[in-house]
Amino acid sequence: QSALTQPASVSGSPGQSITISCTGTSSDVGKYNYVSWYQQHPGKGPKLVIYEVIKRPSGVSNRFSGSKSGNTASLTISGLRAEDEADYYCCSDAGSGIYFFGTGTEVTVL
Amino acid sequence: EVQLVESGGGCLVQPGGSLRLSCAASGFTFSSYWMSWVRQAPGKGLQWVAKIKDDGTEKSYVGSVKGRFTISRDNAKNSVYLEMNGLRAEDTAVYYCVRDYRWAFDYWGQGTLVTVSS
Repeated sequence: QSALTQPASVSGSPGQSITISCTGTSSDVGKYNYVSWYQQHPGKGPKLVIYEVIKRPSGVSNRFSGSKSGNTASLTISGLRAEDEADYYCCSDAGSGIYFFGTGTEVTVL
Repeated sequence: EVQLVESGGGCLVQPGGSLRLSCAASGFTFSSYWMSWVRQAPGKGLQWVAKIKDDGTEKSYVGSVKGRFTISRDNAKNSVYLEMNGLRAEDTAVYYCVRDYRWAFDYWGQGTLVTVSS
């Protein structure tokens, strides 16, 4: 059992779009459409921003979007804002009632 | 308003010791939701620990805590628990109580810190 792989850091200028990848295996990301994404600001608890690969919870900006291709899921943040600077984690159902989180990505707004 | 309030952490536990975390839920129909515990070691990423079905009949755990941790719930008290035995230094983390929603975690508590050290 191991964590899903994310880039350690991604950066972009205000107004730009960035994409964070989340690579798993054919037993988790590739098998289930149950990938979720979380935003965590320093010293705060995580916040759900995407679930079931592409769905946004009520109240989450439409600047956040999700996708998946094969064993890799992605989170795209468009129109980057200073408030988007945070850590982002993916998570996938891995069957047998267990979940794997990603290694986490630090997003920096330049 | 959905609220999840953890308690039971905040103290130092020796390796091999035990601790019971509690989570009081409010603002939603507790007995209709699966619940999980997720932890985060200091300066590290998130790790899912355990989950329990809405009626308590199904439970699952991450491999590293199987046989040591037990998740349970009391729907009459709107509470979920995590009994932790045989604690190790690597169990040191902030433990979050979370509500499961469509294979994701839509509400999180504020977290409670568990420190395992001699």
